[in-house]
Amino acid sequence: AQSVTQLDSHVSVSEGTPVLLRCNYSSSYSPSLFWYVQHPNKGLQLLLKYTSAATLVKGINGFEAEFKKSETSFHLTKPSAHMSDAAEYFCVVSDLGAGGFKTIFGAGTRLFVKA
Amino acid sequence: DAGVTQSPTHLIKTRGQQVTLRCSPKSGHDTVSWYQQALGQGPQFIFQYYEEEERQRGNFPDRFSGHQFPNYSSELNVNALLLGDSALYLCASSLGVGQSLNYGYTFGSGTRLTVV
Repeated sequence: AQSVTQLDSHVSVSEGTPVLLRCNYSSSYSPSLFWYVQHPNKGLQLLLKYTSAATLVKGINGFEAEFKKSETSFHLTKPSAHMSDAAEYFCVVSDLGAGGFKTIFGAGTRLFVKA
Repeated sequence: DAGVTQSPTHLIKTRGQQVTLRCSPKSGHDTVSWYQQALGQGPQFIFQYYEEEERQRGNFPDRFSGHQFPNYSSELNVNALLLGDSALYLCASSLGVGQSLNYGYTFGSGTRLTVV
């Protein structure tokens, strides 16, 4: 079965401090993993993706994520938060298995950045 | 290079009515997927269209139907609207059914549907 769990519904950090948004996944096949960001009243924008290449993935706006198969995790990090990072973040797993191509979104993590 | 465009941006309908939402995919993309995002939740997959056919469907009733046109644009139709259909409806495009595995989706800004 395929599933995505974002471990925190809300995360609050101060500007200039590190960001960690946690994501665990379950997939019976070799998955592709993504992080998307959604600013208020906007669509989703792709931040970064893992597709079975390097396990440490760099994305836009200074974000990174590390694929850890042994821990079934794909946590999103950024060394220093900026006010403009305040948004909703979604972890996504996609795979192609016996049941066909499936994409599942996590419930989202709201990131708050304090001045 | 035009991204994904959706229309209208906002819509208010009454229970029992029918609604049609429209989506034009990113230039060069030929596959359109529709998602429903209720307030405070992640997007839920409705269905995906490729070569003018519904290729996959999520756990949504038959009141939700769609269409894809030869120019790859798509419509989402919802009949007999319920209060619970109030949500942000997102259209996502990709090149080929499986290419989103490698490249992800390009999303539109969505249509906010309110059912009263």
